[in-house]
Amino acid sequence: GAVVSQHPSRVICKSGTSVKIECRSLDFQATTMFWYRQFPKKSLMLMATSNEGSKATYEQGVEKDKFLINHASLTLSTLTVTSAHPEDSSFYICSARPGGNEQFFGPGTRLTVL
Amino acid sequence: GEDVEQSLFLSVREGDSSVINCTYTDSSSTYLYWYKQEPGAGLQLLTYIFSNMDMKQDQRLTVLLNKKDKHLSLRIADTQTGDSAIYFCAETYTGGGNKLTFGTGTQLKVEL
Repeated sequence: GAVVSQHPSRVICKSGTSVKIECRSLDFQATTMFWYRQFPKKSLMLMATSNEGSKATYEQGVEKDKFLINHASLTLSTLTVTSAHPEDSSFYICSARPGGNEQFFGPGTRLTVL
Repeated sequence: GEDVEQSLFLSVREGDSSVINCTYTDSSSTYLYWYKQEPGAGLQLLTYIFSNMDMKQDQRLTVLLNKKDKHLSLRIADTQTGDSAIYFCAETYTGGGNKLTFGTGTQLKVEL
């Protein structure tokens, strides 16, 4: 099946620093990738849709200057959490769509901001 | 917006069947999905059903869809301890551009 990887799997950073999370589709090309945020024991909240070669589409209430998304190639999308604060601590999950209706999810990145 | 609801918790004995339920409000659903999430991990797609289907069976998994009542269920036959996880239903809908709306998740605990 299609494989999506994320890097890093865990990151701990100081408040005020920026953190970049990578999402890669390993064996397929994805014109569209999605970024989700999941709070403890909660569902996934879609943050933004990342489109290769164009600007990301953000969901209502998600600050685009805070969560920078770059989809530079058909196999890589990055999410940068800028000037991270403790309230940004969360589990961030990406997914990629090779075409059709299925989305394949990465293993997630646990961000802890001290 | 669309609401997708699930019961929070289900406990079953190993070998029994598990039934996880999901209700949704959007009448323009196109596909409905079931995902499994193990602790600290991403989501694994288990199965999905097109909105004009009533049932889909895949090995131990049976999905039932009652479109009139906007009710989706996942039955796991012969539940094993390895099935312990959180299960999310999700939907895509007409005009949603393949965006997934997730349910609140059901934690399944399988006891010996």
